[in-house]
Amino acid sequence: DTGVSQNPRHKITKRGQNVTFRCDPISEHNRLYWYRQTLGQGPEFLTYFQNEAQLEKSRLLSDRFSAERPKGSFSTLEIQRTEQGDSAMYLCASSAAGLLYNEQFFGPGTRLTVL
Amino acid sequence: GENVEQHPSTLSVQEGDSAVIKCTYSDSASNYFPWYKQELGKRPQLIIDIRSNVGEKKDQRIAVTLNKTAKHFSLHITETQPEDSAVYFCAASNSNAGNMLTFGGGTRLMVKP
Repeated sequence: DTGVSQNPRHKITKRGQNVTFRCDPISEHNRLYWYRQTLGQGPEFLTYFQNEAQLEKSRLLSDRFSAERPKGSFSTLEIQRTEQGDSAMYLCASSAAGLLYNEQFFGPGTRLTVL
Repeated sequence: GENVEQHPSTLSVQEGDSAVIKCTYSDSASNYFPWYKQELGKRPQLIIDIRSNVGEKKDQRIAVTLNKTAKHFSLHITETQPEDSAVYFCAASNSNAGNMLTFGGGTRLMVKP
């Protein structure tokens, strides 16, 4: 499968615990995006990377959220001290860079449930 | 920042009829407008997109129109089929500034056989 992959697909955690999600983009894509989708809503942009550089992070929902892409390949999204309001689907997308390459390919998402 | 409004939130049509979904955006710097289809429990998948230098684009039964002056764009699906039933999202972005997508709230399309 050469598409975007995400792990785990589902995560159930207790309030206050830390969670980390992983995204593996399409191999030749140097842009990687994280979005959050709550039930019945459109995806909401969180942050993005070009190669290993995090170029936009002001939309991360709070300082409990952080993301990394240490070698410009896979990325991780961490949520510390989870709250029930963090329950959502976390989607990753990747694209090539350049004005002609706008399409973002989405992964299957990680569904987080905070009890 | 960008704000995208989408209407209607639900749309029910008879198989074979046409469906139209409309979106408006607020940021005049936006220049890329994709439409995604999301089936229940699945990832969003791009069905068509349009750039701001084009007014209309068609791909078989699907077409998108863009009015930059009025800041609105629309998705048109002709000869609808039951497998078109899904949630459709419009989005807008500035491809010169990271191409971060701002999505509309979605339209649940139901095609009745």
